[in-house]
Amino acid sequence: SAVISQKPSRDICQRGTSLTIQCQVDSQVTMMFWYRQQPGQSLTLIATANQGSEATYESGFVIDKFPISRPNLTFSTLTVSNMSPEDSSIYLCSVEPPNMSSYNEQFFGPGTRLTVL
Amino acid sequence: GQNIDQPTEMTATEGAIVQINCTYQTSGFNGLFWYQQHAGEAPTFLSYNVLDGLEEKGRFSSFLSRSKGYSYLLLKELQMKDSASYLCAPTDSNYQLIWGAGTKLIIKP
Repeated sequence: SAVISQKPSRDICQRGTSLTIQCQVDSQVTMMFWYRQQPGQSLTLIATANQGSEATYESGFVIDKFPISRPNLTFSTLTVSNMSPEDSSIYLCSVEPPNMSSYNEQFFGPGTRLTVL
Repeated sequence: GQNIDQPTEMTATEGAIVQINCTYQTSGFNGLFWYQQHAGEAPTFLSYNVLDGLEEKGRFSSFLSRSKGYSYLLLKELQMKDSASYLCAPTDSNYQLIWGAGTKLIIKP
């Protein structure tokens, strides 16, 4: 399995500010994903971040609001820009380690709980 | 469109058996995952089915019927620690996971 850490684990931010969330993996992975999960809701994929290419954003998410960096195979950041209370959520990164199995399950970080006032 | 349907909440008794159903509609299909998520924690992988039939893994089993767009997760000998949300996630033609809202399972003594 892959061990994933995220920083910060939680934060309370003011409207209009930005927060950068870091995701660190203990092994090299190509596929890395950023999700958002509202309380009691399903996981919503924000974007897929593959090293060496631009992140691919899902419908409803744009780079200006959620810029992503992927400088190497073990690290990524997601920035939540110009935050509003609607951005309050848990943000999760996940990875799909290569050659772990025939079906490539995803492993998740512990999440970042964001509250925007 | 793509749609996942699973019960919002279920209650079961410690030591009993519970079956969590999931029906899905996806654009293409490349297997279905079940994940467990304890409150305040990240989801963890439980099972994967790509062919019809039952996959057994200890106390947990998962079943798939591709023709019916249907899967279930069967939990036996329930323990208090099984109280969690269970997420059904089929994959589409692009191998992207389509996440259900999850079923919150409450285990009572």
